[in-house]
Amino acid sequence: DQQVKQNSPSLSVQEGRISILNCDYTNSMFDYFLWYKKYPAEGPTFLISISSIKDKNEDGRFTVFLNKSAKHLSLHIVPSQPGDSAVYFCAAIFYGQNFVFGPGTRLSVLP
Amino acid sequence: SQTIHQWPATLVQPVGSPLSLECTVEGTSNPNLYWYRQAAGRGLQLLFYSVGIGQISSEVPQNLSASRPQDRQFILSSKKLLLSDSGFYLCAWTRTGGMGTQYFGPGTRLLVL
Repeated sequence: DQQVKQNSPSLSVQEGRISILNCDYTNSMFDYFLWYKKYPAEGPTFLISISSIKDKNEDGRFTVFLNKSAKHLSLHIVPSQPGDSAVYFCAAIFYGQNFVFGPGTRLSVLP
Repeated sequence: SQTIHQWPATLVQPVGSPLSLECTVEGTSNPNLYWYRQAAGRGLQLLFYSVGIGQISSEVPQNLSASRPQDRQFILSSKKLLLSDSGFYLCAWTRTGGMGTQYFGPGTRLLVL
């Protein structure tokens, strides 16, 4: 049973436009959410996070939105750049140490 | 500042051979430590996590084992590798208590032939 879902395995966006990556979760006990970015043959790097008591967190070009009632979060990248091309993982935490990752979405930003 | 090391970066091993991957963390004490595997075209699968020396929790039954002989050292092992053990292995850490960001090492690419 997949507790964190990223239903789009891949996404292509034109440079300069907005990229929207989606994530859905099933466990209402999750209380912290994170987005990671991963290049091939490298470890994931932390991008942005949001606590369950918030509905939005912004950091430069990256904004994460959380809709608790829908158990849905999204990552917005504006404007998208070719260097943003990577696999993006959504992750959720409960009880402070139990991380659950989604399967990832491969973003391709086309020049 | 904290850093996390993994080695080797790449490993090619025959089926049936043993495995030992090492992960060490610097600049922090009593971290929570994690081993993940990313199989080709798939997401991150949590294999083991540890909240302290000698404390290992396994998430899935498998051909692998983990040990934590020192506070900042986490080892992934196998006595006999299977073809299905091929993948990209990632070590990660969080601060004591675990809440917050998980920091990943550079990964080890394992190919079992």
